[in-house]
Amino acid sequence: DAKTTQPNSMESNEEEPVHLPCNHSTISGTDYIHWYRQLPSQGPEYVIHGLTSNVNNRMASLAIAEDRKSSTLILHRATLRDAAVYYCILSPYSGGGADGLTFGKGTHLIIQP
Amino acid sequence: GAGVSQTPSNKVTEKGKYVELRCDPISGHTALYWYRQSLGQGPEFLIYFQGTGAADDSGLPNDRFFAVRPEGSVSTLKIQRTERGDSAVYLCASSLMGSPLHFGNGTRLTVT
Repeated sequence: DAKTTQPNSMESNEEEPVHLPCNHSTISGTDYIHWYRQLPSQGPEYVIHGLTSNVNNRMASLAIAEDRKSSTLILHRATLRDAAVYYCILSPYSGGGADGLTFGKGTHLIIQP
Repeated sequence: GAGVSQTPSNKVTEKGKYVELRCDPISGHTALYWYRQSLGQGPEFLIYFQGTGAADDSGLPNDRFFAVRPEGSVSTLKIQRTERGDSAVYLCASSLMGSPLHFGNGTRLTVT
């Protein structure tokens, strides 16, 4: 399975934008890029996913590099409630699909007030 | 609407005992997944159901672990002869095919 590399942790200030990077240099042409986040004491929560084009939704934006070897999750204005572990996951399926999703350790995002 | 519900939220058991963990998926979701999460790690895939059948159980660590979904809705994860190393948060997720996973808040299992 193609793997992703994320920083272990990042810190940002409240009400500022946050850019969470993810490297996936061995991504295949049919792999979707998924982002989930996990707030303390909760299960993971879907954030966004994309294939080639940048994507926006009410939670975040996903910027995908032209060669698809990296992507960035953008939180436009972080709040304290965005403090969580963010997982970048590759999957050949647009949703869960067989095998579900393979989670790594993710990036622990700390938001300072 | 109601999300994925997992019961109990916490379970403490003695080494060697049998436990059952229950998952109520979102109504109408055909796919159901079980994961296990140890402290400081990401969730680890255990088993995936499509309807009533286990489509992929390659993540179950050994034959002490078993899961069922007899009517294609509620699922039960069963662990026999529990060991201290089984202590973890067990997460359940459900989805429609091709759609994102919806997770419950998990069952924290502690084996003493």
